[in-house]
Amino acid sequence: EAQVTQNPRYLITVTGKKLTVTCSQNMNHEYMSWYRQDPGLGLRQIYYSMNVEVTDKGDVPEGYKVSRKEKRNFPLILESPSPNQTSLYFCASRVAGNSPLHFGNGTRLTVT
Amino acid sequence: AQTVTQSQPEMSVQEAETVTLSCTYDTSESDYYLFWYKQPPSRQMILVIRQEAYKQQNATENRFSVNFQKAAKSFSLKISDSQLGDAAMYFCAYRSYNQGGKLIFGQGTELSVKP
Repeated sequence: EAQVTQNPRYLITVTGKKLTVTCSQNMNHEYMSWYRQDPGLGLRQIYYSMNVEVTDKGDVPEGYKVSRKEKRNFPLILESPSPNQTSLYFCASRVAGNSPLHFGNGTRLTVT
Repeated sequence: AQTVTQSQPEMSVQEAETVTLSCTYDTSESDYYLFWYKQPPSRQMILVIRQEAYKQQNATENRFSVNFQKAAKSFSLKISDSQLGDAAMYFCAYRSYNQGGKLIFGQGTELSVKP
């Protein structure tokens, strides 16, 4: 089944404790991206990647890192999480061109 | 920079009736894509419908259709014969042909369906 898989689905952590949210797609998509969803703000792009070893900042990249060493994986790294990073996170992918984004099921992160 | 605005935080519709969700956007580009996504309580993001800006014909997918007014920069979603399963958060989104294909989302409209 074609899908974007994020893990974990829920995560509660404390301020300053490094964490990684994994994202993997099995559709051989070139393009992958991360979004965060906050009430009243919709979804905002954090980082994106056009292909392996090519990443770029989105609208809200502060406090996040990503890497794209393999085509299928695009982890989101929070080196020192803070409470303002409490949010719902989505990974998404698509082929190049005008195809729509395929979203993962989301990761609910709480930073205390 | 492009922006997307959904001015209705919440909407309600009676089952079997029709409801229209509003979306306006701001851009200086002439070529772009517009989307409506549905997010049910499961929080999946499900593509409902999409429209290419160069197409004058409004997109339709079964009970879902759009009213795309390019000059007015308006992209409303009409849901006909509303069903209980249509209850969800709906997001309007814009995507440029370039800029890395970033989706710019509106704030969302929470739709409830009354039996």
